[in-house]
Order: sequence, then structure tokens, then C-alpha cells
Amino acid sequence: NAGVMQNPRHLVRRRGQEARLRCSPMKGHSHVYWYRQLPEEGLKFMVYLQKENIIDESGMPKERFSAEFPKEGPSILRIQQVVRGDSAAYFCASSPGQGSTGELFFGEGSRLTVL
Amino acid sequence: GESVGLHLPTLSVQEGDNSIINCAYSNSASDYFIWYKQESGKGPQFIIDIRSNMDKRQGQRVTVLLNKTVKHLSLQIAATQPGDSAVYFCAENTLQGDMRFGAGTRLTVKP
Repeated sequence: NAGVMQNPRHLVRRRGQEARLRCSPMKGHSHVYWYRQLPEEGLKFMVYLQKENIIDESGMPKERFSAEFPKEGPSILRIQQVVRGDSAAYFCASSPGQGSTGELFFGEGSRLTVL
Repeated sequence: GESVGLHLPTLSVQEGDNSIINCAYSNSASDYFIWYKQESGKGPQFIIDIRSNMDKRQGQRVTVLLNKTVKHLSLQIAATQPGDSAVYFCAENTLQGDMRFGAGTRLTVKP
């Protein structure tokens, strides 16, 4: 049973380009969470999604950032017109959803470098 | 609660000693807490959890203590080993159902 799969593991972009990070949750999980981590810092919550619904996006910047979790396919975190400050590790986690213990299962992260 | 851009506090212990890592959480309504371990270059891994109706829970070499009065969690690691070197985060649940992470503590185990 594969865990949470994130790709790409490493992504290099130039300022102004777009970055797309993908996350496939664990089999049977319908809830996805995105976190951002700067070097030597903690995990900062960005967004919580269920299939086709955004449940909580209070941690997502209002501009340039968007997330989706379509009925079919992986969850996508999209960053438009990237700036150097977007360089970070972006972690995705999944959980079974309602009735589960609340434990989140994390992927290995996607590391974005903006030149 | 949320990390606020501070550099990680560090804890250095001798191999074989016990480690205690502390965490203050922010929301008195949180009723579920998790400790995660993050090794360099990897995603966080679940260590142990505790519900608010408990004040102590034990796992293999790890114990979590919860003090709801002062909104404080601690993780105790017995007989710390070099493989325990990592960053440790506490996380609390929110009303929406997601988990919010504390700032983290870097544990370094000296041989």
C-alpha cells in the first residue's frame, strides 16, 4: 500500500514562472492537507481539502496560490508568478476523513527553489 | 499553535539519557494531539497521539503527557538513541478538522 506520493520531489523555477505540485493521497483517503516549511522552521498550515471541496484555506496566501483536489486525480497546489520567497518545502498529508483518529500521513515533500 | 518563523529551539542529550521535549498549544478547545518526528529531508512521521480525556499515554520508549490546565504537552523519550536525532513537532486539531503544528524542537543525541 503506497504512502502519500508527492511529485516532483524537487522543482526549480525562475521568478514569474508557475509551479505545480502534485499529491496523491494514500489509498482510501479522501482528505488532503498542504503545509509549507521554510528551512529550520516549523510546518505552516496552508489548506485542507476533501474531494472537490476546500474545507479550510485560512493559511493560503490570497494571491498567486490555489489548491484543488478533483474527483479524479491528485491534489494540485499551484503557485503562479513565483517569487524567491516561495522557495520552501511543501508537504502534503492525507487522512481517511470522518471517523478517523485524525492522524495525518505525510509525503516526503516537494522542494521548490525559485531562482 | 502555528510556528511563527522562529528558528528551532534545540535540545542536546547524551546517548542513553532520557529526553523531554515540551510544547505549548494555543487552543483550549483542541481535543486531539499528535507528536511527529521529522528527520532531515523527510516528511513528518507519527510517533504517538493523545486525546484530551487522557493525561498520559505510553508507547514504546515514548510517553506523552498532557496538561490541559496550562495547555502543555511533553514528549518523553527513554534511553535516547542516535536514531532519535530529529526535529519533533507537536500538533493540535482544529474545529475544521485539520492539524496545526507547533514550532518544533531539534533533538541532537551525542554518542
